[in-house]
Amino acid sequence: QKEVEQDPGPLSVPEGAIVSLNCTYSNSAFQYFMWYRQYSRKGPELLMYTYSSGNKEDGRFTAQVDKSSKYISLFIRDSQPSDSATYLCAAGSGGYNKLIFGAGTRLAVHP
Amino acid sequence: GAVVSQHPSRVICKSGTSVKIECRSLDFQATTMFWYRQFPKQSLMLMATSNEGSKATYEQGVEKDKFLINHASLTLSTLTVTSAHPEDSSFYICSARKRDRAYSYEQYFGPGTRLTVT
Repeated sequence: QKEVEQDPGPLSVPEGAIVSLNCTYSNSAFQYFMWYRQYSRKGPELLMYTYSSGNKEDGRFTAQVDKSSKYISLFIRDSQPSDSATYLCAAGSGGYNKLIFGAGTRLAVHP
Repeated sequence: GAVVSQHPSRVICKSGTSVKIECRSLDFQATTMFWYRQFPKQSLMLMATSNEGSKATYEQGVEKDKFLINHASLTLSTLTVTSAHPEDSSFYICSARKRDRAYSYEQYFGPGTRLTVT
């Protein structure tokens, strides 16, 4: 079992839709969680960083962490074609010194 | 900001030659830098972790003699692919963690280097 599981998709939605991207993890020691966006042939860009459980909102993006169920989510409101990319979730802990990445979910937002 | 650059962005080399890729944190000092490899439509594969002034820690299955990592300063790490072969062709990406925040675990990525070995 991988430490961070993520459905690779692809996920196709119409412009304006609410997108829900999800990951599960198995290591209860994970304390911090991130979402990255990666456009084709580019490096990943940090979108959201969350420590422990709870919600964090930044513009159209909301990250949620539920440590009791080991579930992390990223919601994108009013999705735009420019949101079309691969979204990677990642988790880590202080003792790890590295991030464990999910497989990435390919999202396509069509006009 | 947290900007990481990589150079070159694209390189083509002949089999048997060595290639050096530079990773720089432009507006912050990095305690730790990471090197990843990514195949098309696949996720990131961590190759090694390097701390300034010390030897890199390689992930299982990564040949340290083939992928030489030097972290000479708090803003520069280099990856040298020695005696490159076509199977080394890939997208190589570095990332860096900031030095000035004790509990900062975010990694900031460079734009990547596409290596093609002919």
